[in-house]
Order: sequence, then C-alpha cells, then structure tokens
Amino acid sequence: AQKITQTQPGMFVQEKEAVTLDCTYDTSDQSYGLFWYKQPSSGEMIFLIYQGSYDEQNATEGRYSLNFQKARKSANLVISASQLGDSAMYFCAMRDETGFQKLVFGTGTRLLVSP
Amino acid sequence: ETGVTQTPRHLVMGMTNKKSLKCEQHLGHNAMYWYKQSAKKPLELMFVYSLEERVENNSVPSRFSPECPNSSHLFLHLHTLQPEDSALYLCASSQGVGASTDTQYFGPGTRLTVL
Repeated sequence: AQKITQTQPGMFVQEKEAVTLDCTYDTSDQSYGLFWYKQPSSGEMIFLIYQGSYDEQNATEGRYSLNFQKARKSANLVISASQLGDSAMYFCAMRDETGFQKLVFGTGTRLLVSP
Repeated sequence: ETGVTQTPRHLVMGMTNKKSLKCEQHLGHNAMYWYKQSAKKPLELMFVYSLEERVENNSVPSRFSPECPNSSHLFLHLHTLQPEDSALYLCASSQGVGASTDTQYFGPGTRLTVL
C-alpha cells in the first residue's frame, strides 16, 4: 500500500522568505504521480503542483517548486518569497495506481507566514 | 473561477434526518469523487464515479449513499448519521483518463455537523 508522510505539523516563516515543506512517500510502483495541495481556512483544496515519477526535471509553478529526490523517496515543496496569503494547510498526495484515480494524502503541514 | 461547486456549505442535522449534499463540476471532466476530512486525519476517499458509473466504494457505511445522474453532478445522500460522521465532505473531479498526470480539482466542501 502507498503511504505519504509529512513530519512537520506546523511551520513558521517570515514574509518574503523561502520555506520548504517536507514529504516522503512509500510505494512499490514504478509509475506514480505526486501532488501538492493548499487548503486555506475556507476549506477548498487548491491544486498547486504535480511531479511525475519519470519526470527528470523538478516541477515548478510560479513561486512553487517541487524538490523531487526519487532515490530518497522525497517530494518536498519549496515556496519562494512567502506571502501572508500562503498561510494555510499544505497536503502532499500520491496517486494510487492500485485503485482507480485514487489519491492518498498525508496528514498535512500548517504554514503560518508572519509579517 | 470556481470549477467545482458544492452545496450547502454548512449543514447541521440530527441523527434521524435525511439530507443530501450536492456537487457540480463545470470542467467537462469524466470522473467525480467524494472525500471525507475529519479533524486530525488524512483525507479519506469515499466514492469514485467514472462516466456516471461507480468504480470504487471505499468500505463506506450504507448510511452514505452516492448518486451520479450525469458526468457533471454528484450527490451524497445521508440518513441516520452518527456524531462521528461530522466532518468536511469534499467533492473533486478529474479528466479520468487513467494517466498518472490526471489532476483532481476540489470544491469548497460541505462542513457537516451531526447532533
């Protein structure tokens, strides 16, 4: 079974600084996808970035980048130039190839950006 | 832009009530999902529909009954719920093409409280 581990329950960062949110995963599949979602207090899960297991380059989307280290089974999210609006819960997820389209989520990291 | 909408946003119901949650997607997707998010637990997949056919039922109690009348609409019918069913219920949709790049887009959720 696939598993996602997020070891940081909470992180603090000052505005305009960069922050790294950790994610490790466990799978026996060769082909898989890794996702990061942001959940503000309003509840909606907002898709941020995707990394495929066969992608040779780390994914980037604006201020978000994914530090993918396949051998270490880690997929850390890096947010550059943090903004106050980045304060939210962040979830790492993996697409479960054994079930139809199933996403397996970690427990999340709460990020607080201070002025 | 809100590609996936959910109503109601908040719901309080007694254990003997019957209510329904509604989800609508405006993205032209073929797959729709129900997730449950309880406090301090990872998101749990409940049901998956692909082309209006249920393809996964993740051992959900029968007091939760999904319905997918067409590819744009998904309902979750609730009856005789328990207080432990109080949670945020999230709907998502995706292209459903079976590739690992398939991304799920979520609605804002319905926060359910069972008294």
